[in-house]
Amino acid sequence: TQLLEQSPQFLSIQEGENLTVYCNSSSVFSSLQWYRQEPGEGPVLLVTVVTGGEVKKLKRLTFQFGDARKDSSLHITAAQPGDTGLYLCAGAKSSGDKLTFGTGTRLAVRP
Amino acid sequence: GAGVSQSPRYKVAKRGQDVALRCDPISGHVSLFWYQQALGQGPEFLTYFQNEAQLDKSGLPSDRFFAERPEGSVSTLKIQRTQQEDSAVYLCASSLEWGGGNQPQHFGDGTRLSIL
Repeated sequence: TQLLEQSPQFLSIQEGENLTVYCNSSSVFSSLQWYRQEPGEGPVLLVTVVTGGEVKKLKRLTFQFGDARKDSSLHITAAQPGDTGLYLCAGAKSSGDKLTFGTGTRLAVRP
Repeated sequence: GAGVSQSPRYKVAKRGQDVALRCDPISGHVSLFWYQQALGQGPEFLTYFQNEAQLDKSGLPSDRFFAERPEGSVSTLKIQRTQQEDSAVYLCASSLEWGGGNQPQHFGDGTRLSIL
């Protein structure tokens, strides 16, 4: 059972467009991580957010943790073909708890 | 290399056979995790080790699945009497310290298991 639902499930956009991926749950998480996974490889950590309302920026990527710590979003500005991949959110209910991964968003950026 | 290494990268087995998947974590990493990932889905937690101690095996789907990490470094995930629904990518991850979800996890590239 996936406690973290991501939307959209698939996204195909043109290079230069902006996009937002959502990660939602009815549960409260103490922290949330975002990963990107390319075909045939393992997920690679992008960011960890731990405070409700926190916003972190990583170049063209902006991550936000909801005030109630039940949801998160990833916004990409001016998407590039190199951004193509499977984006995964993952949450932990406490600092010592295992990670629960979201359902994933597959992004394709066309040149 | 310095990353998490998994072997084999691909494994094909006939239904009913036993398989063993190996994970070499990053040297010095205390925590080791196993996940199962179906095509196009997010990874699902299987089990977790802190050094040689298996602290959580709540995600193992059945008693056909068994994991060990006898010396606190290399880990093996064994699946007995494989079934077609076991076909998936099995991912291993390690982290430097215990801290569950607050610690960054470093993933290997996985073993793709296909059961015929």
